[in-house]
Amino acid sequence: SQTIHQWPATLVQPVGSPLSLECTVEGTSNPNLYWYRQAAGRGLQLLFYSVGIGQISSEVPQNLSASRPQDRQFILSSKKLLLSDSGFYLCAWSGPGLAGGEQFFGPGTRLTVL
Amino acid sequence: GIQVEQSPPDLILQEGANSTLRCNFSDSVNNLQWFHQNPWGQLINLFYIPSGTKQNGRLSATTVATERYSLLYISSSQTTDSGVYFCAVTKLFNDYKLSFGAGTTVTVRA
Repeated sequence: SQTIHQWPATLVQPVGSPLSLECTVEGTSNPNLYWYRQAAGRGLQLLFYSVGIGQISSEVPQNLSASRPQDRQFILSSKKLLLSDSGFYLCAWSGPGLAGGEQFFGPGTRLTVL
Repeated sequence: GIQVEQSPPDLILQEGANSTLRCNFSDSVNNLQWFHQNPWGQLINLFYIPSGTKQNGRLSATTVATERYSLLYISSSQTTDSGVYFCAVTKLFNDYKLSFGAGTTVTVRA
């Protein structure tokens, strides 16, 4: 069966510091991978998605970036965090190929920027 | 982008009661999912239901794609059903993005 891992689970960072969040998927090959962010008390917003190694599509312009160095690894980064980057970050995967497949979410990372 | 509206925003139930949550969407879709977000933030997949009807235990869902809405039914509610229920869709024609509604917060009282 497929599993998705995210780390760290929680993170407190000062404004202006760098960020690296990691997501890995097990039990599937060539998945579509996604980063979403959830602000407090609201729905999720797609930040990035990837349909293959090195292929990244950005949905929201901001100071975050994403990379996919390996088939089942997805990384969310920032060079300098802003207060507005605080939130709950969730990674998701879906089967390879066509869009519209069922998406499965990881446990998330709670980021607080002070 | 596609608009997703969920109602009601909040729902308070007595244990054992039945309820219906609604999701309206503004365009044709090729994916519709219902999730339950638990107190730890984990999004649990309830249904993948772009059309038709499905049942899983005390939960069932119906999507009428031609009329652009979906319903989630909770029967004989339990305290463990408490949490936020989200509806999310991807627009038809090769869209990867899940667009989420604002959610329905369900509180089940013993």
